[in-house]
Amino acid sequence: SYVLTQAPSVSVAPGQTASITCGGNSIGTKSVHWYQQKPGQAPVLVVHDDGDRPSGIAERFSGSNSGNTATLTIRWVEAGDEADYYCQVWDDSSGHPTFVFGTGTRVTVL
Amino acid sequence: EVHLLESGGDSVLPGGSLRLSCVASGVSFSSDAVGWVRQAPGKGLEWVTTIRGNGGITEYADSVKGRFTISRDKSKSTVYLQMSSLRVEDTAIYYCTKEGVNFYGFESWGQGTLVTVSS
Repeated sequence: SYVLTQAPSVSVAPGQTASITCGGNSIGTKSVHWYQQKPGQAPVLVVHDDGDRPSGIAERFSGSNSGNTATLTIRWVEAGDEADYYCQVWDDSSGHPTFVFGTGTRVTVL
Repeated sequence: EVHLLESGGDSVLPGGSLRLSCVASGVSFSSDAVGWVRQAPGKGLEWVTTIRGNGGITEYADSVKGRFTISRDKSKSTVYLQMSSLRVEDTAIYYCTKEGVNFYGFESWGQGTLVTVSS
């Protein structure tokens, strides 16, 4: 089965840039989606199809995807960005369509 | 605007059954895919199942195949998750989700309902 790997945690100072990576075999050939989940809340889609933002998501959130790594970038980090972030792809390489989530990265704003 | 409201979460014994409901407003059951994603306590997200708009094709994660069944009632704008042969490891918050129109991701989420399987 397809596996997505994320670093458990990232720390960043306010106003700086946070980079959250998602590793997977040839992930650059897939569309990657990113979710933000604050404590006690449901996840929220922040980026889809590698780098597109849904309506209402700040331009500070951007994404890229190439090779074996996809990246979510948060510029001018704010205290309100502190959350868990998950990457996700759809994989049918085994003939069985599956939605795969990454292991999640906790972003801490210092 | 899409709004997803789950209900039905409860505490059950291992081997028991439970049915979750998701009232999905702003969703077209003829074209939109709706499903469930779960999250065990302190753990990450896990896709459970999806029912597709066109034709009602259903898809399941291996971990629940044969035990869980997703269905929908268009007249009630409701999607159901019938869970049977429940295991301790099925304990989780179950989120109702709507997929993106043109992408295989989850653009809308409900607030979730908690299922606890314990003896």
